[in-house]
Amino acid sequence: DAGVTQSPTHLIKTRGQHVTLRCSPISGHKSVSWYQQALGQGPQFIFQYYEEEERQRGNFPDRFSGHQFPNYSSELNVNALLLGDSALYLCASSLGTGSMREQYFGPGTRLTVT
Amino acid sequence: AQSVTQLGSHVSVSEGALVLLRCNYSSSVPPYLFWYVQYPNQGLQLLLKYTTGATLVKGINGFEAEFKKSETSFHLTKPSAHMSDAAEYFCAVRTGGNNRLAFGKGNQVVVIP
Repeated sequence: DAGVTQSPTHLIKTRGQHVTLRCSPISGHKSVSWYQQALGQGPQFIFQYYEEEERQRGNFPDRFSGHQFPNYSSELNVNALLLGDSALYLCASSLGTGSMREQYFGPGTRLTVT
Repeated sequence: AQSVTQLGSHVSVSEGALVLLRCNYSSSVPPYLFWYVQYPNQGLQLLLKYTTGATLVKGINGFEAEFKKSETSFHLTKPSAHMSDAAEYFCAVRTGGNNRLAFGKGNQVVVIP
């Protein structure tokens, strides 16, 4: 079975631009979470979607938004890019949002903002 | 809020020697604790987890960790390091009544031949 997939693998954008990152969860998984991993840091939780609704949100500004589609795939959108948005963006899927539900991570999208 | 602390960003270990990575947690609820490994240019792979029950947890690739409530710790060990263990390791704790994770800053493990 395919794992979590993310696209694109790498992306270079300029300050002020907009970016969309995509994630396809494991088949049957209804929850998708997004994390930002800055260089030399651990991943930080951005938000979680479950059944097309945003269920939780971390401490990120409104420039970060997302969407989940009926097939449970998800997008992460970032507006007005800043240099500090350069990071590895990880998507994780799980069957649901319960505390016992294990998260499975994709390989990530490396975003560089110049 | 739940959090974890990992000290020593870079850890060097000789091939065949003990690997010990320390993780201390802070949690207002019974913690669910995790160790993940990240190889270069890859995502996170779950090594092991503690939810309830046995406090000594065995994971993949010969790793194990022991949950010690009195010390609020969940240290990761492997008796004999292999070159393939060179990677970054993250400790994480579940936050709240859901599966959202809070990660430590990670330990970059270098294995010396």
